[in-house]
Amino acid sequence: AQTVTQSQPEMSVQEAETVTLSCTYDTSENNYYLFWYKQPPSRQMILVIRQEAYKQQNATENRFSVNFQKAAKSFSLKISDSQLGDTAMYFCAFMKTSYDKVIFGPGTSLSVIP
Amino acid sequence: GAGVSQSPRYKVAKRGQDVALRCDPISGHVSLFWYQQALGQGPEFLTYFQNEAQLDKSGLPSDRFFAERPEGSVSTLKIQRTQQEDSAVYLCASSPLLGLSIQETQYFGPGTRLLVL
Repeated sequence: AQTVTQSQPEMSVQEAETVTLSCTYDTSENNYYLFWYKQPPSRQMILVIRQEAYKQQNATENRFSVNFQKAAKSFSLKISDSQLGDTAMYFCAFMKTSYDKVIFGPGTSLSVIP
Repeated sequence: GAGVSQSPRYKVAKRGQDVALRCDPISGHVSLFWYQQALGQGPEFLTYFQNEAQLDKSGLPSDRFFAERPEGSVSTLKIQRTQQEDSAVYLCASSPLLGLSIQETQYFGPGTRLLVL
């Protein structure tokens, strides 16, 4: 069975600074998908970034980038130039195939301090 | 062209009541998922539909939980004889194709917050 671990329950960062959220996962699959989802207090789950395991290049989306280490089963999220609107719960997630359920980690609560 | 919608957004039920939660997926999306999110935790899978077929219901916590998607679009999650431990946010997600696109992603609705008193 797949599991996702986020070892940082809470983190804070000064506005405009950079922060990295950690995630590790366990799977015996070779091909899979990894995601970071953001859930603001309004509770709408929003996709931040995705990574296909067969791709060696790390995904980037504007201020968001990942460090995907397949051998280490690590998938961290870096947020550059943090903004107040980045305050939210961040969930690391794993999906075995594109029509399979998503397995979520426990989440990291990120606070951006003005 | 809107995203996934869910109704009601909030539901308060007395213990023992039946409730029905609705999900309207993005038009044309084949796959539909239900998740349960307890306070302070990540969502957990409940059940999955491919069109009208319920292909996986392994996450449903008890036989009081029932889901359907009779015409392959709108889905309803029903909870019978609600208990206090059913209090959670219920999230619905949809995705477009059957694994044919490398851009497959699940898009989530805003959730229904259920409180059982």
